[in-house]
Amino acid sequence: QSVLTQPPSVSAAPGQKVTISCSGSSSNIGNNYVSWYQQLPGTAPKLLIYDSNKRPSGIPDRFSGSKSGTSATLGITGLQTGDEADYYCGALDSSLSGVVFGGGTKLTVL
Amino acid sequence: EVQLAESGGGLIQPGGSLRLSCAVTGFTFSGYWMHWVRQAPGKGLVWVSHINRDGTTTKYADSVKGRFTISRDNAKNTLYLQMNSLRAEDTAVYYCTRDFSHCGYDVWGQGILVTVSS
Repeated sequence: QSVLTQPPSVSAAPGQKVTISCSGSSSNIGNNYVSWYQQLPGTAPKLLIYDSNKRPSGIPDRFSGSKSGTSATLGITGLQTGDEADYYCGALDSSLSGVVFGGGTKLTVL
Repeated sequence: EVQLAESGGGLIQPGGSLRLSCAVTGFTFSGYWMHWVRQAPGKGLVWVSHINRDGTTTKYADSVKGRFTISRDNAKNTLYLQMNSLRAEDTAVYYCTRDFSHCGYDVWGQGILVTVSS
């Protein structure tokens, strides 16, 4: 049971938009920054979003992040087959004094 | 090129010990907090531990507290994870990561598999 809650799976057609939610509490998302990661099969995770809504250099603006209260959302527009991957949210949890992750969301591009 | 390279994993019997190393190249190692994150086969990401820039502050997940020790040698540009009293549930791929900003990890190692089994 992960501290942060994500839907197990989402799907959409190529070219469409998808959002992935991440729900937490005041001890994590509510008072700390959120990060989002993409993990392709057999590879290490890749940072997509940090500080809740910032993109590292090299990450296309098709990827966006937002936060409201104790929830965060990753948005992906112009879906490509190469976007099929597992996506994870993460945040510092002030009560646990450590980082917590969501259980991951598998994105299928139909 | 910025790189993290883990080593030291493998098959170990329950109750045994392993020390993971993470060699850093391409950036000023002493300028960053560093973390270990693990992923059991077919499962999600789980934070294990972190250490501050000069090694004076460390934190651990409850599941490893008292058994694992994180450390760093800034002169050798290397991060370590000493793992003692290993259990089957510690079986996972272990990643070392760089904390870029507020626990956003922008650089990851390739991961090293630790298998605890008799």
